[in-house]
Amino acid sequence: GQQLNQSPQSMFIQEGEDVSMNCTSSSIFNTWLWYKQDPGEGPVLLIALYKAGELTSNGRLTAQFGITRKDSFLNISASIPSDVGIYFCAGQPWDNAGNMLTFGGGTRLMVKP
Amino acid sequence: KAGVTQTPRYLIKTRGQQVTLSCSPISGHRSVSWYQQTPGQGLQFLFEYFSETQRNKGNFPGRFSGRQFSNSRSEMNVSTLELGDSALYLCASSLAGRVGDDGYTFGSGTRLTVV
Repeated sequence: GQQLNQSPQSMFIQEGEDVSMNCTSSSIFNTWLWYKQDPGEGPVLLIALYKAGELTSNGRLTAQFGITRKDSFLNISASIPSDVGIYFCAGQPWDNAGNMLTFGGGTRLMVKP
Repeated sequence: KAGVTQTPRYLIKTRGQQVTLSCSPISGHRSVSWYQQTPGQGLQFLFEYFSETQRNKGNFPGRFSGRQFSNSRSEMNVSTLELGDSALYLCASSLAGRVGDDGYTFGSGTRLTVV
């Protein structure tokens, strides 16, 4: 089935630094979603992207839907301690008629105050 | 508005037993999907129900099954539990049709431990 390769697997950064993570696939996706998950909780939606080339911001977060529809990136600017968590990309396959998502392996973000 | 509610939050079962997990979607959402999350395999899609019909199915054995009721609430059942079924089971609800502006909202999950 489709695979989403998310990188990096983990990041340990200083507070105030910018962060960038991305997902790539050999398959085409119609929708890209970025989630954040805190321990013991379900993922929380951060940004949704619906069109190739789309660039969307949500506060300090910016994400883009790749032109080829096979990749997406998420940037976090001026990181703060509460950004700590696991970030997941998820894609809705182009040939799926329903609401099935394929998830990347996650990026664990650690922020040093 | 109320979010996605999953019950119970925690569950401990013995190998060979069966278990039923429940998910109440956001009011008005007709699609409910289930995922299994483990440290080794990450988030893996189990199945999706829409208007009481299974619309998509992931690559899991037949021991994993589900259903959806007319009020859109969904249950998933795992029979003959194995140690490897220990995981966080998440459900997500969304509006009718494809993933839309409402995105895809997850519940807090049910942590299943098989001993």
